[in-house]
Amino acid sequence: GENVEQHPSTLSVQEGDSAVIKCTYSDSASNYFPWYKQELGKRPQLIIDIRSNVGEKKDQRIAVTLNKTAKHFSLHITETQPEDSAVYFCAASRNNDMRFGAGTRLTVKP
Amino acid sequence: EAGVAQSPRYKIIEKRQSVAFWCNPISGHATLYWYQQILGQGPKLLIQFQNNGVVDDSQLPKDRFSAERLKGVDSTLKIQPAKLEDSAVYLCASSNGGTQYFGPGTRLTVL
Repeated sequence: GENVEQHPSTLSVQEGDSAVIKCTYSDSASNYFPWYKQELGKRPQLIIDIRSNVGEKKDQRIAVTLNKTAKHFSLHITETQPEDSAVYFCAASRNNDMRFGAGTRLTVKP
Repeated sequence: EAGVAQSPRYKIIEKRQSVAFWCNPISGHATLYWYQQILGQGPKLLIQFQNNGVVDDSQLPKDRFSAERLKGVDSTLKIQPAKLEDSAVYLCASSNGGTQYFGPGTRLTVL
C-alpha cells in the first residue's frame, strides 16, 4: 500500500521567513495530494491540494509543488505569521484511499 | 453546508469496557472514513465505506473494533473491549470523490 514520508517533523522559523515541508510517496498511481493544517485540539483543515496533472498550485502565501517522477511534493509558506503555527499533514490518495504523513509541527516565532 | 458531525466529543472509560462513536457525514457524500489519531501522529485510516459497503478495513483491529454504515449515511464505530493503547482521537471524514472533510473528532481516554 501507499507509504508517505514527511520531513521535517518540527520546524521553527522567524515571523516573515518562509517555511518548506517535504513529502515523498511510494505509490506511483497516487493522483491527489492534499495538505491539512491542524491546530491544537482541532480537526485537520484542508489548506491546499494538488492533482497529478498539475506541477504547481498557489493560493496567496501558500504553494504546493509536485514532482511525479521523483514522487515528492512540497508545501511552501511565505511571509509566515504566528497564526501559521500548527501541525501540517501531507497526504497521498488514489481512488479515495488516502494515507497521511506523520506531520510537521511548525512554530512561527514573533 | 453543514460539516461532518461526531459525537460524543469526549469519552473516558476503563479498560475492558465498550464504547461507541457516531458520525454523520456531509449530506450527499458517498465515502466515509474513520481514522485513529494518536497524540503526535498523523491520522491512521481504520475503515473506509463507499455508501454502505466497506472499501478498506485492512488496518482495523477486527478482534475489538467494528464499524457499520447500514443505510449509507450515518456510521458508528465500536470498540469492545477497550485497551489502554486505544486512547486517541477518533476522526470521521467524508468525501465525494476528492477532498476529505473532517469532523471535530472524539477524544477517547482509556484508564
